[in-house]
Amino acid sequence: DQQVKQNSPSLSVQEGRISILNCDYTNSMFDYFLWYKKYPAEGPTFLISISSIKDKNEDGRFTVFLNKSAKHLSLHIVPSQPGDSAVYFCAASPNSGTYKYIFGTGTRLKVLA
Amino acid sequence: GAGVSQTPSNKVTEKGKYVELRCDPISGHTALYWYRQSLGQGPEFLIYFQGTGAADDSGLPNDRFFAVRPEGSVSTLKIQRTERGDSAVYLCASSLLAGASYNEQFFGPGTRLTVL
Repeated sequence: DQQVKQNSPSLSVQEGRISILNCDYTNSMFDYFLWYKKYPAEGPTFLISISSIKDKNEDGRFTVFLNKSAKHLSLHIVPSQPGDSAVYFCAASPNSGTYKYIFGTGTRLKVLA
Repeated sequence: GAGVSQTPSNKVTEKGKYVELRCDPISGHTALYWYRQSLGQGPEFLIYFQGTGAADDSGLPNDRFFAVRPEGSVSTLKIQRTERGDSAVYLCASSLLAGASYNEQFFGPGTRLTVL
């Protein structure tokens, strides 16, 4: 039973445009969410996180939006750059202090030059 | 080194053999985690260490899997009587400490295990 779902396995976006990656979760106990980026042959790298007390968190070109009622979060990348091409994983945990992250299956983003 | 390192980067073994996978966490990080990533899936939690002790091993799939961290730094994941279904990338991560806010986990590059 997949508690964190990324229903789009891949996404292609033109350089300079917005990339929107989506994530849905089923467990209402989740209240801390993260996005990790993964390049081939490397481990996942932390990108941005959000606590359930917020509905938006921004860091440079990256913004994460959280809609608790819909159990949905999204990652916006603006403007997209070719170096953003990677696999993006959404992860969730019951609180910000826990250790057991539940990961989605990932979305492969390709930014076209 | 500055990041989490894992050795070997690739391991090919035969069904039924024993393997050990090593993880060197970031210096000073007290928490260490093992995850397994199968093809087309996200990382799946296996075990978490706080210091030398396994605080949560609920993700280990069965008793063929075991992990140790005897001195609170380097950890070894051990798999006995390997099966083809064990083939995956095994990821190690560390964090400054668990139970704190914004507890970012830093991942190593992983060990790709192939069981023939």
